[in-house]
Amino acid sequence: DSGVTQTPKHLITATGQRVTLRCSPRSGDLSVYWYQQSLDQGLQFLIQYYNGEERAKGNILERFSAQQFPDLHSELNLSSLELGDSALYFCASSPGAPNEKLFFGSGTQLSVL
Amino acid sequence: AQTVTQSQPEMSVQEAETVTLSCTYDTSENNYYLFWYKQPPSRQMILVIRQEAYKQQNATENRFSVNFQKAAKSFSLKISDSQLGDTAMYFCALRSYNTDKLIFGTGTRLQVFP
Repeated sequence: DSGVTQTPKHLITATGQRVTLRCSPRSGDLSVYWYQQSLDQGLQFLIQYYNGEERAKGNILERFSAQQFPDLHSELNLSSLELGDSALYFCASSPGAPNEKLFFGSGTQLSVL
Repeated sequence: AQTVTQSQPEMSVQEAETVTLSCTYDTSENNYYLFWYKQPPSRQMILVIRQEAYKQQNATENRFSVNFQKAAKSFSLKISDSQLGDTAMYFCALRSYNTDKLIFGTGTRLQVFP
């Protein structure tokens, strides 16, 4: 168990809908990262938050947004969903320094039908 | 831009044998960190080994070791005495000190046969 909790584990929804994925980092970790893993794109970095502030942005679509709350949990919001958004979404956390390893949650499997 | 390339989509090895997974990367940064992550069928991402670019000594973690060639921008993973539980997808990753992003390669699927 990595200590990073992601909910829900599975999510099935329809095109055009909006969903929210939730992540609770390890106790004490200030950084939260979101990644998307799909068969054709591999593991893509979406966005990183550090202590409530956005720190780095990757290949995140405009239809997607995220935030980190004062209690350090994070949410990833996906809207106007398309079939191609079907993927495994990982959250990871770390204390914050670049040399520290990331601890990954078990992911949320999103299926858009 | 930073990139990580894993040129071996699939590899297989017999139990107890040794296998080496290749990884090359590109970065203009001088300070960075390299990682190998393992993703078994459970989908959990598990850190296998970590290397700091400023350290010349290759990292070792039990049966796992790396061959880090900074000038060639190469970072291969050697698994000794392969076990059935090593069957997984292996991802090489690069993390820059400045950008703080962790960039992954496309992965190598390793199958260990009895």
